Amino acid sequence: AQTVTQSQPEMSVQEAETVTLSCTYDTSESDYYLFWYKQPPSRQMILVIRQEAYKQQNATENRFSVNFQKAAKSFSLKISDSQLGDAAMYFCAYRRKRRGSNYKLTFGKGTLLTVNP
Amino acid sequence: GAGVSQTPSNKVTEKGKYVELRCDPISGHTALYWYRQSLGQGPEFLIYFQGTGAADDSGLPNDRFFAVRPEGSVSTLKIQRTERGDSAVYLCASSLENGSFYNEQFFGPGTRLTVL
Repeated sequence: AQTVTQSQPEMSVQEAETVTLSCTYDTSESDYYLFWYKQPPSRQMILVIRQEAYKQQNATENRFSVNFQKAAKSFSLKISDSQLGDAAMYFCAYRRKRRGSNYKLTFGKGTLLTVNP
Repeated sequence: GAGVSQTPSNKVTEKGKYVELRCDPISGHTALYWYRQSLGQGPEFLIYFQGTGAADDSGLPNDRFFAVRPEGSVSTLKIQRTERGDSAVYLCASSLENGSFYNEQFFGPGTRLTVL
């Protein structure tokens, strides 16, 4: 079974600065997908960024980027130029790729990010 | 277009009662997932529908939990004889079927269930 671990229950950052959230995972599969989701107090899960395991290039979406280290099974999220609206719970998630499988997401426990003005 | 909607937003019930939680997926999405998010935890998978059938219900914690999707659209999660440990946020998500990287799961706002 796949597991996802987020070792930082809480993180804080000053507005306009950079913060990195950590995530490690365990899987026996060689090809899969990884995601970071944001959950504000409204509870709505919002996809922030995604990565395909077979792609070596790290994904980037505007101020959000990842550092994907496949051998180390590490998938960290970097938020640059942090904004007050970035404050939320962040979840790292894993999904199988194999066709015909259940495409359920396996989530970590989350990291609560606080942005200080 | 409209996103995934869930009703009710909040539900308070007494121990031992029966509850139904509803999910309206995005039109045209054939895959539908239910997750449960306990306080301080990430969402955990409960059940996956492909069309009308439950393709994987391995995440349901026990036989008090049941879900249906009779017409391949709206889904209802049913919990019998509720227990205090069932208190959580129940999230629903839908996606296009084929599991492509770009077929993301879109989440609803969840139903917060409180069992007194």
